[in-house]
Amino acid sequence: SAVISQKPSRDICQRGTSLTIQCQVDSQVTMMFWYRQQPGQSLTLIATANQGSEATYESGFVIDKFPISRPNLTFSTLTVSNMSPEDSSIYLCSVDPGGATDTQYFGPGTRLTVL
Amino acid sequence: QKEVEQDPGPLSVPEGAIVSLNCTYSNSAFQYFMWYRQYSRKGPELLMYTYSSGNKEDGRFTAQVDKSSKYISLFIRDSQPSDSATYLCAMSGREYGNKLVFGAGTILRVKS
Repeated sequence: SAVISQKPSRDICQRGTSLTIQCQVDSQVTMMFWYRQQPGQSLTLIATANQGSEATYESGFVIDKFPISRPNLTFSTLTVSNMSPEDSSIYLCSVDPGGATDTQYFGPGTRLTVL
Repeated sequence: QKEVEQDPGPLSVPEGAIVSLNCTYSNSAFQYFMWYRQYSRKGPELLMYTYSSGNKEDGRFTAQVDKSSKYISLFIRDSQPSDSATYLCAMSGREYGNKLVFGAGTILRVKS
């Protein structure tokens, strides 16, 4: 398994501003993922972030709105840009440590409220 | 039709009951099946994973996969109030790369 931390754990932001969420892993991993979980909903994949390449975004998510950095094998950031109240959600990062299965391990999440 | 269907509940049971949580799926390409537990205001925690059909047991938890019926289950024996959480099934397969497809999650409440 992997131990994952996220910063901040929560934030309240004003409409039109941007927030950068950090994800730190205690071991080197190739694949990291960013998810959104809206209240009472399941997880929706935003993008896959592999070190050394551009992030791959899922349908409905664009780089201008959710720019991602992946500078090394233990760290990634997700920025939520030009926020609106509809961006209020929990943002989760996860990692796939590799191996024969596709299991992922999740961070504790960042709870974002946009006013 | 969603790729993975899961009854959102809530499912309310008395302490000590056997709990059965289920998911159905439509794509026979899924090969890896996982169950995550998510407590309120926490990230999902991997509980069980299985490959292909069969059963896997870990303490009070048993994961079951029936690929012929496209149906997976998680059984919790001797349920405890601390088992109260949302349980998410997830699955993946070669055509999905390393991406997981999640069910909606079932809210479980175990009453003492």
